[in-house]
Amino acid sequence: ILNVEQSPQSLHVQEGDSTNFTCSFPSSNFYALHWYRWETAKSPEALFVMTLNGDEKKKGRISATLNTKEGYSYLYIKGSQPEDSATYLCAFKKSNNNDMRFGAGTRLTVKP
Amino acid sequence: NAGVMQNPRHLVRRRGQEARLRCSPMKGHSHVYWYRQLPEEGLKFMVYLQKENIIDESGMPKERFSAEFPKEGPSILRIQQVVRGDSAAYFCASSATSWESAEAFFGQGTRLTVV
Repeated sequence: ILNVEQSPQSLHVQEGDSTNFTCSFPSSNFYALHWYRWETAKSPEALFVMTLNGDEKKKGRISATLNTKEGYSYLYIKGSQPEDSATYLCAFKKSNNNDMRFGAGTRLTVKP
Repeated sequence: NAGVMQNPRHLVRRRGQEARLRCSPMKGHSHVYWYRQLPEEGLKFMVYLQKENIIDESGMPKERFSAEFPKEGPSILRIQQVVRGDSAAYFCASSATSWESAEAFFGQGTRLTVV
């Protein structure tokens, strides 16, 4: 069974706070990890595609790191804004699987 | 360049009827994935298709569910003799190459309600 775990399940922060959350995945046969941002009533939108151990990607105030040896990825949001409120999903692919397995997501709420 | 188009957005079916969900991938994309989101749960993989081929259907129930991606036209997810437990949001995603290095683009989903 391929388990992708995300924590915390939900998070409430104040505007301006920086925050981070975790995606854990099996470290064997790693191939790729994706982060998606999913706003209510919209479709998931790709943030990052990460394939190499030690990868660090950044898009504006959002960044992500990847550790394939220990099986985790962190997503960081610096200076959270209300428009960052969404569910953040990670998805993992093994080298011998065809599909991407999604975690249940971290639901972020940023209060003004 | 239109994104991934799914229709209908909302579908209501009575128990025992058939549901057909359509997904038109982005232009130039030949890889399609279907996911199901049950209430209060995350996205669960169902099936991965390339044009005219089912690559992996390991996440799709063996009974009543089928999927196709013909040479011409959209990908179709078909659910026969629907039951209440089939009520969920069904999302499709497409990518230009297989998923490992290319990001996937999602449609807005079809919300199926079985009454």
